[in-house]
Amino acid sequence: DAGITQSPRHKVTETGTPVTLRCHQTENHRYMYWYRQDPGHGLRLIHYSYGVKDTDKGEVSDGYSVSRSKTEDFLLTLESATSSQTSVYFCAISELGGSSPLHFGNGTRLTVT
Amino acid sequence: GESVGLHLPTLSVQEGDNSIINCAYSNSASDYFIWYKQESGKGPQFIIDIRSNMDKRQGQRVTVLLNKTVKHLSLQIAATQPGDSAVYFCAEIRTNDYKLSFGAGTTVTVRA
Repeated sequence: DAGITQSPRHKVTETGTPVTLRCHQTENHRYMYWYRQDPGHGLRLIHYSYGVKDTDKGEVSDGYSVSRSKTEDFLLTLESATSSQTSVYFCAISELGGSSPLHFGNGTRLTVT
Repeated sequence: GESVGLHLPTLSVQEGDNSIINCAYSNSASDYFIWYKQESGKGPQFIIDIRSNMDKRQGQRVTVLLNKTVKHLSLQIAATQPGDSAVYFCAEIRTNDYKLSFGAGTTVTVRA
C-alpha cells in the first residue's frame, strides 16, 4: 500500500451533523484528492489539492469543503451531512499530478441516517 | 461531459485462461491512461499505465494496448488466477485539467 491512511474507516452519522474525514500520507506527494464511489456512478472527484493551502473543486463539490494545512494531511468536511452523501470516500495521492498515477487509500464508508 | 467507459460490466474467465478487458474513451485530448484493480472493501490499486505516445506496454502478467485511432484501451491478463477476481477500471487523464475520469468498471470473476 502507498502509505495512505484514511480515518475513520467507518462512520454513521445523523442528517444535519458536520463530519470530517481525514487522509494522511507518508509519501510526501504534492497532489491529494478526495473521491466518492457510488453504485452506478463509479469514482467521482470531490476536491483536490495541488499543494499546502492550494485546493480546487471537482465535479461533485457541493456540500463539501477541504483543507490542507500540511503536506501529509488532507481533510474533507461535510458541513451538514445529508442522506445523499452516504457513500464510500477515497483519498488518493499523486507525485506529479496529471503525469503520474494516483494511489488510493482503502476508503471510509460513511452512512448518513 | 465526456467520460471513459468500459464495454462490458462483467467478465467470467476460466482459471488459467487469458482475460481481455476493454475500454473506450471519447476525448481525443487524453494522453495518459491507467488501469486499476479494486477488490472488495479496498481502494483501487494501480496496475499499469500507458501514455499516448505508446501503443503497447507490458507488466508482470499484464499488457495494456492503446488504439488511438478508435479510442480504445484494453487490459490483457495472462494465465488468470483466482486472485485476479476484482473490478477493473480504466481511467484517462486529459491534458487540459489533469484530473482523472474513471469508467464504471468491469467485474472479473475467475472460475476454478
